[in-house]
Amino acid sequence: KAGVTQTPRYLIKTRGQQVTLSCSPISGHRSVSWYQQTPGQGLQFLFEYFSETQRNKGNFPGRFSGRQFSNSRSEMNVSTLELGDSALYLCASSPGATGNEQFFGPGTRLTVL
Amino acid sequence: QKEVEQDPGPLSVPEGAIVSLNCTYSNSAFQYFMWYRQYSRKGPELLMYTYSSGNKEDGRFTAQVDKSSKYISLFIRDSQPSDSATYLCAMSYQAGTALIFGKGTTLSVSS
Repeated sequence: KAGVTQTPRYLIKTRGQQVTLSCSPISGHRSVSWYQQTPGQGLQFLFEYFSETQRNKGNFPGRFSGRQFSNSRSEMNVSTLELGDSALYLCASSPGATGNEQFFGPGTRLTVL
Repeated sequence: QKEVEQDPGPLSVPEGAIVSLNCTYSNSAFQYFMWYRQYSRKGPELLMYTYSSGNKEDGRFTAQVDKSSKYISLFIRDSQPSDSATYLCAMSYQAGTALIFGKGTTLSVSS
């Protein structure tokens, strides 16, 4: 079974721009979560989608948004990029109905200049 | 006080040693406990997943959860150089909720 895939793997943007990251979960998984990983803060939860609905949201500004499609694929968008948004953005998928095993993709490394 | 505390290390051991990694937490509502391994520039890989208290063993890895002490551990037996990575503990309140991560412990196993 294929794992979680994320595209693109690397991105370089400048302040003020916006960016869209994509995640394809493991086949059959209906829950997709997004996390931001930085050296200073570690892994922090952004939001989680289940069956196209945002079920949970972390403590990030409204510039961070996401959505999930009917095939469970998910995208996250960051608008008006700031230098502090430079991070590894990780997507995790889970079967979603019960339990909470989350399987992570390789991440998208975003650099904001 | 952070919800999940984890000693960042680094922890250096010789090949074959038994490694003990630990996390403490403050919120007794956590029910799901996980250990992830993350190699440099890779995504975290799920190693162990435990619901509530008790022990779980998988090959060279044993996870322990002591909810009364709010303490979880991961033991690695017969450690190998390939175990060199950052180990992250994570926990959550219920299915579908966010994972709360420790900052990770960096482990180095020398041959």
